[in-house]
Amino acid sequence: DIQMTQSPSTLSASVGDRVTITCRASQSISTWLAWYQQKPGKAPKFLIYKASSLESGVPSRFSGSGSGTEFTLTISSLQPDDFATYYCQQYNNSPWTFGQGTKVEIK
Amino acid sequence: QVQLVQSGAEVKKPGSSVKVSCKASGGTFSSFPINWVRQAPGQGLEWMGGIIPIFGTANYAQKFQGRVTITADKSTSIAYMELSNLRSEDAAVYYCARAGYCSGGSCYSGGGFDYWGQGTLVIVSS
Repeated sequence: DIQMTQSPSTLSASVGDRVTITCRASQSISTWLAWYQQKPGKAPKFLIYKASSLESGVPSRFSGSGSGTEFTLTISSLQPDDFATYYCQQYNNSPWTFGQGTKVEIK
Repeated sequence: QVQLVQSGAEVKKPGSSVKVSCKASGGTFSSFPINWVRQAPGQGLEWMGGIIPIFGTANYAQKFQGRVTITADKSTSIAYMELSNLRSEDAAVYYCARAGYCSGGSCYSGGGFDYWGQGTLVIVSS
């Protein structure tokens, strides 16, 4: 199975900050990577597919980059609604696997 | 607008089975893979398996092989996930999720999980 490792596990930031989350795959997954946002008690929300393509309706302050084994999710200017946990997921090889999550909390 | 609506919370005894449903509306059910993902309390997301309703063949994570059965009824646009021989560590919220993405006003099959059900809490307790 492909292991997905996110860093950091927790990130403290303020409104307006630029935030970057890293996701590393244990082997190359090309650009077959998605990002999700999850708030407590809610289902995950789809943000980005194919490493850098923004899903319809997602604010443009979210962006993704990377290929192969290293990927990043960037929030250009953190908004109050963005405090949540973020997950990456590879869909290159079954079983599809997720990172362990990065919690973005208020500083 | 696509909606996935899941069945309600379940309380099950160890060793028993649970069957969770996921009814799709507002989109083309048959051609989009439906996946099942679970989340134990305070933990991350874990993919269990998926099915493309038009083909009817399910694909399972090795961890759940032999214990999970995923099916889909094209006539009712409902997908099901049945997990047998429940143990305490199966207590979790179970989600169904469609694999697809939307761009330029159209949606396409495959890729990440664009629409999710609201989740079904399964409690395993004697």
